[in-house]
Amino acid sequence: QSVLTQPPSVSAAPGQKVTITCSGSNSNVENNYVSWYQQIPGTAPKLLISDNDKRPSGIPDRFSGSKSGTSATLGITGLQTGDEAHYYCGVWDSSLSARVFGGGTKLTVL
Amino acid sequence: QVQLQESGPGLVKPSQTLSLTCTVSRGSISTYYWTWIRQPPGKGLEWIGYISSISNTDITNYHPSLESRVTMSLDTSKNQFSLRLSSVTAADTAVYYCARGAGDDFDSWGHGTLVTVSS
Repeated sequence: QSVLTQPPSVSAAPGQKVTITCSGSNSNVENNYVSWYQQIPGTAPKLLISDNDKRPSGIPDRFSGSKSGTSATLGITGLQTGDEAHYYCGVWDSSLSARVFGGGTKLTVL
Repeated sequence: QVQLQESGPGLVKPSQTLSLTCTVSRGSISTYYWTWIRQPPGKGLEWIGYISSISNTDITNYHPSLESRVTMSLDTSKNQFSLRLSSVTAADTAVYYCARGAGDDFDSWGHGTLVTVSS
């Protein structure tokens, strides 16, 4: 299992807001930059959030990232059916000397 | 906008070596951290490692659990980088992605290629 813990699934209605957490430790989340990726089924992951809270060009401001201590959070507002995907957090782990990912969270827009 | 494309055999026999190449277009391979990530069917992402020539010397960093079996190389003349994974087993069956590492994230990804380990 992953050193980063994410809820297996979350769901919400169109137009609503959802948050996805990524829980780690002081060897990863607390002391390194967290990034978030969206993976629509059958496609490659796509960078959503870099450096804890920065949106790359072209990513809508409906997506946001934050971090506090050993946990990071991805927020998505104004949910759309096109947001249905798996979401992964990723971070460098200083103890493992490796990049690690969370187990992924499946978002269902009801 | 940089584009990445994986290529290589889709089927590898157990105990043999998996070899993949990633071709980078619309961007130089002389900077950034060129990375391999895999995803077993129905499972999450696993970082394999990266290679970079940012300092004019190739540097590599591999996941400790795979380090004994992984070799990455860079061909700047072809704008390509490669992965070799030896002594494969069924557990190495996965979609293999190449990606560009920029700082602490991966900002561009290939489409991925499924490699099945089976006799």
